[in-house]
Parts: sequence; structure tokens; C-alpha cells
Amino acid sequence: AQTIHQWPVAEIKAVGSPLSLGCTIKGKSSPNLYWYWQATGGTLQQLFYSITVGQVESVVQLNLSASRPKDDQFILSTEKLLLSHSGFYLCAWGDWGYEQYFGPGTRLTVL
Amino acid sequence: SQWGEENLQALSIQEGEDVTMNCSYKTYTTVVQWYRQKSGKGPAQLILIRSNEREKRSGRLRATLDTSSQSSSLSITGTLATDTAVYFCATSSGSWQLIFGSGTQLTVMP
Repeated sequence: AQTIHQWPVAEIKAVGSPLSLGCTIKGKSSPNLYWYWQATGGTLQQLFYSITVGQVESVVQLNLSASRPKDDQFILSTEKLLLSHSGFYLCAWGDWGYEQYFGPGTRLTVL
Repeated sequence: SQWGEENLQALSIQEGEDVTMNCSYKTYTTVVQWYRQKSGKGPAQLILIRSNEREKRSGRLRATLDTSSQSSSLSITGTLATDTAVYFCATSSGSWQLIFGSGTQLTVMP
């Protein structure tokens, strides 16, 4: 069975500080990987997707970047956090069907 | 009903009642999916309906799709307190793309 793990579970960071969030998928070879952002009480906004190692496509610009250093790992980062980055970050995987499988998420608070 | 620019809708019902949530979308979609998100968790898919289908059932769930009006609905029969969650519709024009609606907060009171 496939499992998806996100780290950290929660972060409290200062405006202007750097950020790195991670996601690992086990039990699935060459998955499509996705990052989403969700404001409190809001909908999910797709940020990035990756079809293969080393290749990442940006869907929306939020002063964030993503990388896929390994087949099973997806990283979301920024060098300088903004207040508007606060929210819930979700990693998801899919194959060539339409369903996406979401991880447990990381709650980010920027102060 | 929900879509991206609208605020989260809210519904509150008693356990055992039936409920229908609506969704409208703006662009061409190959499929409509309905996801459920419980508090503090990631969403999970409930049901997928393709553009050539008008209705799809799964247990207590029934989804409909009307491509002419670009709308979909999700009905739950015999609701349980454990059905309390936010329900999102999501559209896709490609297998990598998922565009979520604004969501409906459903509260089922025991």
C-alpha cells in the first residue's frame, strides 16, 4: 500500500525567514507529485506539479519554489516568508488517472 | 452552490436527513470529482463522474453531472455525524490538473 508522509506537522516562522517543507511517498514508483496551499476556511490551490525527477512545473506564483530531488520526494521552499504564506500545505500524488491522494498536511503560521 | 471565488458555504442538518450539495464550474472538464476533507486532514476522493455520465452512485452517495449547465451535485442519503466535513467538487481537463471549488461545510448533528 502507498503511504504519504509530510514534514514537519506544523511550523511557526517569522516573516522574512526561510522555509522548507517535505513530502515522501512510499510504495509507488514514479508518481506524479503535487503541492497545494489552503488558507484557513478556504479552498485548495494547486501550486506545483512534477511528473518526473528533476522536473517541476509551477501552476501559480506565490513566491515559493519546489524541487523533486528523488523519485519519492517533493520539497517546497522559499528564502523569505511573507504573512500571506500562512496556511495549510498539502502534498498529493497521483498516477495517470484523475484521482489524487493527499498527505496529512503541514500547518504553517507566519508571524 | 460552490465555486472558486465564492466563500465557503455552510449546511447544518440532523443525523438521518438527506442532503444535496451543488457545484458549478466555468471551464471545460473531463471529469468532476468530489472530495471530502475532515478537520485538520487532507482531502480524500469520494466519487468521480465523467463528462459522458449523468449520474454515478457509490453507497450512500450519488453524484450528478450536467455538462450543458456546467454543474454537478453530490447527494448523501441517511447522513451520519461522521459525515461532518467540508465537501469540495474538483474539475480536471488533464490528468495532472485539479481545480477545486470553494467547498461546502456540512455539519451533521447527532
